[in-house]
Amino acid sequence: DSGVTQTPKHLITATGQRVTLRCSPRSGDLSVYWYQQSLDQGLQFLIQYYNGEERAKGNILERFSAQQFPDLHSELNLSSLELGDSALYFCASSEKAGAGSYEQYFGPGTRLTVT
Amino acid sequence: GDSVTQMEGPVTLSEEAFLTINCTYTATGYPSLFWYVQYPGEGLQLLLKATKADDKGSNKGFEATYRKETTSFHLEKGSVQVSDSAVYFCALRGYGGATNKLIFGTGTLLAVQP
Repeated sequence: DSGVTQTPKHLITATGQRVTLRCSPRSGDLSVYWYQQSLDQGLQFLIQYYNGEERAKGNILERFSAQQFPDLHSELNLSSLELGDSALYFCASSEKAGAGSYEQYFGPGTRLTVT
Repeated sequence: GDSVTQMEGPVTLSEEAFLTINCTYTATGYPSLFWYVQYPGEGLQLLLKATKADDKGSNKGFEATYRKETTSFHLEKGSVQVSDSAVYFCALRGYGGATNKLIFGTGTLLAVQP
């Protein structure tokens, strides 16, 4: 158990809909990362938040957005869903304040199926 | 930009065989290198890491050595078990910059047969 939790585990929705994926980082970790794993694109970095602020953006579509709340949990919002958005979405956390360790610990993922 | 290339799978081995999964990288400066493992239906688990040239990461019988001269970080295990069947990902974290995002290879499926 990595200590990172993600909900829901599975999500099935229709094209055009909007969904929210939730991530709770390990206790004390300040950074949250979102990754997308799909058959055609592999594992790709989407976005990183550090202590509530956006730190880096990767291949994240404009239809997708994220935020990190004061309690450090994060949400990834996916809107106007398309069939191609079907994927496994992972959250990872790292960086306890002052620890100098940047290892990322991954959650179990949310499997999104768009029909 | 930074990238990771790893050997195509699937790799099918008999139990107790020797395993090598090749991984090469392209990056500026001195990236940190990682191997992650994904068991069926689960998330990614950090298997081992190396943060500077000539470092050897090891865990659970797996080893990988950070070779800057060949820009490689090949994963090896002397005797695989059925329980090692999983997808293995090589990854790098770039040197410097504001983010510690990981860049992954495409993953290599390992199937170990009894």
